[in-house]
Amino acid sequence: QVHLVQSGAEVKKPGAPVKISCKTSGSSFGTFTIHWVRQAPGQGLEWIAKGGPSAGGAIYGQRFQGRVNVATDTSTSTVSLEVSNLKSEDTAVYYCAREAGFGFGAVLDLWGQGTLVTVSS
Amino acid sequence: IQMTQSPSSLSASVGDRVIITCRASQSIGKYLNWYQKKSGKVPKLLIYAASDLQNGVPSRFSGSGSGTEFTLTISSLQPEDFATYYCQQSYSALLTFGGGTNVEIK
Repeated sequence: QVHLVQSGAEVKKPGAPVKISCKTSGSSFGTFTIHWVRQAPGQGLEWIAKGGPSAGGAIYGQRFQGRVNVATDTSTSTVSLEVSNLKSEDTAVYYCAREAGFGFGAVLDLWGQGTLVTVSS
Repeated sequence: IQMTQSPSSLSASVGDRVIITCRASQSIGKYLNWYQKKSGKVPKLLIYAASDLQNGVPSRFSGSGSGTEFTLTISSLQPEDFATYYCQQSYSALLTFGGGTNVEIK
């Protein structure tokens, strides 16, 4: 059975970067496309980016272009999200999610447990 | 693609029929998915491709629509259904979610 396990909570100062990892267990990592979604306190779900071994290259949301990077490490079956120049508005729970192969675009059927990133001076 | 949900919140009783609407700013065919999000929990996929029920999701949940207008229906609300529901378009590679509908206990 496949699981997505994310790295632990982070507390960062404004302007610093943060890197969050999403490690997959089980087989078939090479077939995965992984998306990153966040939820700020009291807010809705916001899509950030996608990447992973089957993504055909990373794609970033317009709000995040130039400030986030998705990297894939096939040796550890891990996809990471790095956000640079953090702002207080980046305080949120960040989720990784697997894209299901249903043939209807990016349907997110399996989610990591979430990583709380707090940006505070 | 902008996704607009209505209402943003609603109050309902156990056993009620609940309908949530999602509108897309352009036609997205049936590339529309629904998720349930409870506080402190991970989002859960309910419906994909506008009307296909994800494995393990109770049959009281159903989805319909195509093009720009979609609905999520809960036929008989159960205590465990009080949550926030989000639609999400998968037509574009740049995914977007609706603003969410918070279903509260009346």
